[in-house]
Amino acid sequence: EVLLQQSGAELVRPGSSVKISCKASGYTFTDYYMHWVKQRPEQGLVWIGRINPANGNTVYAEKFKSKATLTADKSSNTAYMQLSSLTSEDTATYFCTSSTLWGQGVMVTVSS
Amino acid sequence: DIVMTQTPSSQAVSAGEKVTMSCKSSQSLLYSENKKNYLAWYQQKPGQSPKLLISWASTRESGVPDRFIGSGSGTDFTLTISSVQAEDLAVYYCEQYYDTPLTFGSGTKLEIK
Repeated sequence: EVLLQQSGAELVRPGSSVKISCKASGYTFTDYYMHWVKQRPEQGLVWIGRINPANGNTVYAEKFKSKATLTADKSSNTAYMQLSSLTSEDTATYFCTSSTLWGQGVMVTVSS
Repeated sequence: DIVMTQTPSSQAVSAGEKVTMSCKSSQSLLYSENKKNYLAWYQQKPGQSPKLLISWASTRESGVPDRFIGSGSGTDFTLTISSVQAEDLAVYYCEQYYDTPLTFGSGTKLEIK
């Protein structure tokens, strides 16, 4: 089955970091960019950036350059996004998407 | 950054009616080398991930009902649902992938009367 399986929901403290994962299956992981998208509650979609799993090259939206770090592990067909210095503004659902596929989303809640 | 403007923000229609929604980009999404428009439409139902409906402005994805029709070129694009069904309740987003950062419109929420 062709799918992107994301890790589970996270409850994290302000000022901390979190790393979420996105495991690809059913297609050649290195053939397509992996993109990450943010959606705050009841709001629209915002593109964070993308990684080329074949060589690790990344492109970030300006506002996420110091917030997000994208990596990919070819051996496990898994992409990762680390978010740092978390604030309430980072409370959102984060999706990975590649080609026509979307993961189910990871809800990250930043709260003390 | 390319700004995507969607109108209307919400729309209520009865089942069986035709609905159109607009998406305008701040610069052309038509790439001259291949004559393709780098514009996609997504459907997001409540509590679900977005689903790709249409790419290249007018190419319907496999399995998408033919009542969903994408049209337009350059900076002006339209998504038409020829006969709305109850299951079409969702927010519809356009997205440009002509250049990074990729950008989305703010969405059109479709409500069924």
